[in-house]
Amino acid sequence: DIVMTQSPDSLAVSLGERATINCKSSQSVLYSSNNKNYLTWYQQKPGQPPKLLIYWASTREYGVPDRFSGSGSGTDFTLTISSLQAEDVAVYYCQQYYSTPYSFGQGTKLEIK
Amino acid sequence: EVQLVESGGGLVQPGGSLRLSCAASGFTFSNYWMSWVRQAPGKGLELVANVNQDGSEKYYVDSVKGRFTISRDNAKNSLYLQMNSLRAEDTAVYYCARVVIGVVIFDYWGQGTLVTVSS
Repeated sequence: DIVMTQSPDSLAVSLGERATINCKSSQSVLYSSNNKNYLTWYQQKPGQPPKLLIYWASTREYGVPDRFSGSGSGTDFTLTISSLQAEDVAVYYCQQYYSTPYSFGQGTKLEIK
Repeated sequence: EVQLVESGGGLVQPGGSLRLSCAASGFTFSNYWMSWVRQAPGKGLELVANVNQDGSEKYYVDSVKGRFTISRDNAKNSLYLQMNSLRAEDTAVYYCARVVIGVVIFDYWGQGTLVTVSS
C-alpha cells in the first residue's frame, strides 16, 4: 500500500505571503508509460466537502485561481499558494490514484498568521 | 449543475445496519464510476468503496470488505451503501463522490451524511 505523508500538519501564513505544503508518497506515483504523476490535491473548508484543486500533480481544475500551483514528481510533491487570501483557510489533502488502495495524506491545516 | 445529495445517516448501535443513499442530478449518472468516501470526526479522508458505470465492478477498502455493499440504480440516478455489522470505528461523515472518467479522482462531492455507531 502507498502511504501518503504531508508536512507540516499545520501552517500559519500572513495574508499575501506564500504558503507551501508538502506531500511525500512511500512509492513513486509516476507512471512511466505516460510520464504522468498520479497525484491530486483537494481543499476542504470548515463544514464543507473537499474540493478538487489540482490533478496530475500540476494541472489546475477549471475555475481554481492561478495562485494555486502544484509541482513535484515521483515521490515528492508540493502545493503552493503564491499569495495567501483569507478564503484559502482550509485543510489541504493530497491523494494518490496510482494504485489501490487509493490513499490520502493526513491533511495540512492552513491558517492566517 | 452537478448535485449529489446523501441521505440515510443516523445513530445506530454496534452490530447494526444502515443504508445510505445518494441522489445524483445534473449529469449523465450512468457514464461515471461513483464512490463513497468517509471522514471520521476531526480526521482525514478514506475511500470506502467504488462502483463502475453498470455496477459490475466494485472496490472496497479492506476494513469494510464483507460488511459493506455498494450498489447503484442508473434508472433512478442513485448510489447506495448498505452497511452491516457496524462498528464504532465506522463513525464518520460519508460523502458520495463522482469519479473523473478514467482515473480515481473525485471531482464532485455531496455535503455528506453523518453515521454514528454507538450504544
